[in-house]
Amino acid sequence: EAGVAQSPRYKIIEKRQSVAFWCNPISGHATLYWYQQILGQGPKLLIQFQNNGVVDDSQLPKDRFSAERLKGVDSTLKIQPAKLEDSAVYLCASSWTSGSLTDTQYFGPGTRLTVL
Amino acid sequence: DQQVKQNSPSLSVQEGRISILNCDYTNSMFDYFLWYKKYPAEGPTFLISISSIKDKNEDGRFTVFLNKSAKHLSLHIVPSQPGDSAVYFCAASGGTASKLTFGTGTRLQVTL
Repeated sequence: EAGVAQSPRYKIIEKRQSVAFWCNPISGHATLYWYQQILGQGPKLLIQFQNNGVVDDSQLPKDRFSAERLKGVDSTLKIQPAKLEDSAVYLCASSWTSGSLTDTQYFGPGTRLTVL
Repeated sequence: DQQVKQNSPSLSVQEGRISILNCDYTNSMFDYFLWYKKYPAEGPTFLISISSIKDKNEDGRFTVFLNKSAKHLSLHIVPSQPGDSAVYFCAASGGTASKLTFGTGTRLQVTL
């Protein structure tokens, strides 16, 4: 079974530029998550999708971050414009369902973003 | 507000000995707890979990203990192996949402 795929793996941009990340979840997984992991911290949930609907985006900085999940499968996360503090690893995860405490989240390898 | 805390940023243990990783939480609504393991340049992988109705869960060399009154959980690895060297994250969730709150991680190094 293929895992969660993410691209690109690394990205370096200058502040005020735009950037987009792509995620392909495990086939059949209804729920998709985007996390931000700043160096020295644990992953922090940015947004959660159930199929193509948003379940939780309470920690997404909506003035600069946006995300969509096309046809309930792939997802893109965009930052426009980027700030220095956005430097982090962006992790995508997926699970079979949401609303279940025991539903395991499977993570992709992440995209490391450096904003100069 | 750090609701899940891992106060030891690193731990070094000899191969064959026991590794004990600790985690504290403050939110009394948390009722499901997980440990994830992360190798460099990879995403976290699920290791073991425990529901608040239990105080112990075991899976091979890995055991998680939960002390609800102290709001504390620990992960025991026995015996420790060099391949266990990784960063371990404690995570918690509560209520009906599967949203996870992660700790800051503990880097475990198992030496020969």
